[in-house]
Amino acid sequence: QQQVKQSPQSLIVQKGGISIINCAYENTAFDYFPWYQQFPGKGPALLIAIRPDVSEKKEGRFTISFNKSAKQFSLHIMDSQPGDSATYFCAASISGSARQLTFGSGTQLTVLP
Amino acid sequence: DTGVSQDPRHKITKRGQNVTFRCDPISEHNRLYWYRQTLGQGPEFLTYFQNEAQLEKSRLLSDRFSAERPKGSFSTLEIQRTEQGDSAMYLCASSSPGLFLNEQFFGPGTRLTVL
Repeated sequence: QQQVKQSPQSLIVQKGGISIINCAYENTAFDYFPWYQQFPGKGPALLIAIRPDVSEKKEGRFTISFNKSAKQFSLHIMDSQPGDSATYFCAASISGSARQLTFGSGTQLTVLP
Repeated sequence: DTGVSQDPRHKITKRGQNVTFRCDPISEHNRLYWYRQTLGQGPEFLTYFQNEAQLEKSRLLSDRFSAERPKGSFSTLEIQRTEQGDSAMYLCASSSPGLFLNEQFFGPGTRLTVL
């Protein structure tokens, strides 16, 4: 059972544009929602994370928006750059447990120069 | 480099052979995770260690898989009698309970190809 659904599967954006990736979760016990960035041949790297007690978190060009009632969260990349071209994964975990991450299926982002 | 390291980076083996992977976590991290990632998918949780104790295992971890973390430092993941379906990237991550929001730091992974 896929507990975190991610869309779109792929995304092409012009340089300077806004990239938006969406995730929806089913398990209401999730209370930590990170986004990871992965380049080919590399392990995932933590980009930004949020807890459900806030609706938005911004770090530089990256913003997470969180809607607890809809059980949805999204990543916005402002002023997208070719160097942002990578695969992005949303994830979720539960505090107080092993805190293993449940990942979405990934979004391959291509930013055109 | 003080990040998570994994060895080997690539492993090609024949079906039925045994393979072992090693993970060295960030030195002060007492939590260690193994994940498996197949092409075009997100990583899937396999198992979790807190110090030397293996506290959780996924249903994905069949009896052909075994993981250890002696002395709470490095960890090994062994796959016995490999099958073609075991071909994947095996990722290790570490974390510390003192880190805000339980950030997990991933290694570069070991890519396994079973012929």
